[in-house]
Amino acid sequence: RKEVEQDPGPFNVPEGATVAFNCTYSNSASQSFFWYRQDCRKEPKLLMSVYSSGNEDGRFTAQLNRASQYISLLIRDSKLSDSATYLCVVNMRDNYGQNFVFGPGTRLSVLP
Amino acid sequence: EAGVAQSPRYKIIEKRQSVAFWCNPISGHATLYWYQQILGQGPKLLIQFQNNGVVDDSQLPKDRFSAERLKGVDSTLKIQPAKLEDSAVYLCASSDGGNQPQHFGDGTRLSIL
Repeated sequence: RKEVEQDPGPFNVPEGATVAFNCTYSNSASQSFFWYRQDCRKEPKLLMSVYSSGNEDGRFTAQLNRASQYISLLIRDSKLSDSATYLCVVNMRDNYGQNFVFGPGTRLSVLP
Repeated sequence: EAGVAQSPRYKIIEKRQSVAFWCNPISGHATLYWYQQILGQGPKLLIQFQNNGVVDDSQLPKDRFSAERLKGVDSTLKIQPAKLEDSAVYLCASSDGGNQPQHFGDGTRLSIL
């Protein structure tokens, strides 16, 4: 079983749609969680951290369910500029200390 | 605040040649990471430094890859000799440590012919 798994995608949605991405992780000792956005041929950029109580930043809402080891990202009123790959990142504790593990990413295309 | 600096942006070499990448993290960031990202996949950790010490190099192919961060600031990653499957983007990231998020450089796109 992979340590971090994400919806395989791609997601093709019209402008204005609401879209949700899911991510599951295997290590129950994981301590912190993030969503990164990666544009084509660019580096990953931090979109938002994910807090236990859930958090919102404009059109983006992140949720964490520790019991189910599950993270989600909701994008409301999607824009063309939201087209990118969304990477789920989990900071796990293993034998070497803390280790950031990336999921494979979910590609989103917002269509006019 | 200046971001993570990496060079070169692009590199094309033939298999069995050597190549080196350089990274300068965000000032004050003690933790530095090197990742390999193959097209269509998420970044895979190669090595993690805390200051000038190695924290995790369990996924570094040590027969051909090496990395150092001698003074605890900038770092170099070397591949010698390169194989076709090493074609990827090599990303450097830094963080304030602990649970703080990572910040990435632009990456070096390596093509092996």
